[in-house]
Amino acid sequence: AQTVTQSQPEMSVQEAETVTLSCTYDTSESDYYLFWYKQPPSRQMILVIRQEAYKQQNATENRFSVNFQKAAKSFSLKISDSQLGDAAMYFCAYRRPTQGGSEKLVFGKGMKLTVNP
Amino acid sequence: GAVVSQHPSWVICKSGTSVKIECRSLDFQATTMFWYRQFPKQSLMLMATSNEGSKATYEQGVEKDKFLINHASLTLSTLTVTSAHPEDSSFYICSCRGFTEAFFGQGTRLTVV
Repeated sequence: AQTVTQSQPEMSVQEAETVTLSCTYDTSESDYYLFWYKQPPSRQMILVIRQEAYKQQNATENRFSVNFQKAAKSFSLKISDSQLGDAAMYFCAYRRPTQGGSEKLVFGKGMKLTVNP
Repeated sequence: GAVVSQHPSWVICKSGTSVKIECRSLDFQATTMFWYRQFPKQSLMLMATSNEGSKATYEQGVEKDKFLINHASLTLSTLTVTSAHPEDSSFYICSCRGFTEAFFGQGTRLTVV
């Protein structure tokens, strides 16, 4: 079974600084998707960034970028120029690709990010 | 992106009563929806996969008779917590899967008193 591990339960960063959130996963599949979701205090789950395993290029979305190391099964998220609004729980997630759409997400335990002004 | 609407946002009910939570996909057809439960400061725990027109698939340890799921149309899935007890108090979240990513409802905070 696939597993996702986020080993750091909490992190803090100063506003405008850069922080990296770590995530490792275990799978025997060669093709899959990886995600970072953000859950602010409102508890609405928000997609931060997505990475397809077949793509060698690391995904980037504005201040958010990933370091995807397929061989090491590592998928870290870098937040640059941290803002107060980045404070949230961050969940790393894995999913196998399917045509039927029924494949479930496997979540890590999450990490609480605090941004200090 | 796709919008998923979950209702109600919060509900308080008496022990022994049943509560229904609705999850609607507003701008796309969702043949599959997922229901999660989240305890404070913890990750999302998948309860069941809801399939339009067929029975839901429940995760191990989830009581089918307590958490009734109905997915009668391509845009609506409901979760009914039957004979609710205080230990059922939690945050419940639904999700619809798009082609690659999942879209989540706003969640429902259930408090059973």
